[in-house]
Amino acid sequence: EAGVAQSPRYKIIEKRQSVAFWCNPISGHATLYWYQQILGQGPKLLIQFQNNGVVDDSQLPKDRFSAERLKGVDSTLKIQPAKLEDSAVYLCASSPRGRVDEQFFGPGTRLTVL
Amino acid sequence: SQQGEEDPQALSIQEGENATMNCSYKTSINNLQWYRQNSGRGLVHLILIRSNEREKHSGRLRVTLDTSKKSSSLLITASRAADTASYFCATGANDYKLSFGAGTTVTVRA
Repeated sequence: EAGVAQSPRYKIIEKRQSVAFWCNPISGHATLYWYQQILGQGPKLLIQFQNNGVVDDSQLPKDRFSAERLKGVDSTLKIQPAKLEDSAVYLCASSPRGRVDEQFFGPGTRLTVL
Repeated sequence: SQQGEEDPQALSIQEGENATMNCSYKTSINNLQWYRQNSGRGLVHLILIRSNEREKHSGRLRVTLDTSKKSSSLLITASRAADTASYFCATGANDYKLSFGAGTTVTVRA
C-alpha cells in the first residue's frame, strides 16, 4: 500500500512570506495529524483531524498557522506570515480507522525561514 | 510539551554489539511506542507496548515497560549499520495523542 505522501520535500522562504504544505494520507485512514519537528527535538503535535473535523488544535499557533482537510482526505497546512522560529520539519501522519494508537508518517517537509 | 525523555542523547556502538536506550515519562499512559527516524526521513513505527504489558519482542528489538518507575527501555541486539538512526519514544494516553521525547541518536560503526 502507498505511504503518506507530502510535498514539497524542501522549502526555503524569507520571513514574513507565506508557505503551504500538502499531505495525502494512506487511503482509508480517517485520522490525520500534522507535527512540527524542530532540529534536535521530537515531533510536536500541531493539529489532529478525524475525517474532516478538527479533534485537537491546542498547540497550533492560530495567529499564523492554519490547516484544513477538505473532504476528509488530503490536507494542507499553511503558515502566514512565517517567522524564523518556524524553521523545522513538518510531518504528516495518518492512522487507520479504529487504530489511532499507531501512526504512519510521511517523509516530511523541511522548511527553512531566512 | 514533551513527556518522554530519552537517555542517552547519543550512542555510538560497533556493528554486532547491542544498543540500549531508555525512556522516562511523567504521567499515566495507555501505551508507549518506539519510532525510528533515519536522517532526512519520516518516522517509522517499531513497536508498541501497552500499559498492562511488561515486555515485548519484535525481531531484534526488545522493549520493556515499568509503569511503577515510569520508564521503558529499547534494546537492539546484534546491531547493523542500517540501525544508524534516531530513536524516539512516544507515550499515548487515553486521548490517543502521542507525546514524543527528544530522541536518542544511535551510530553503528562498521
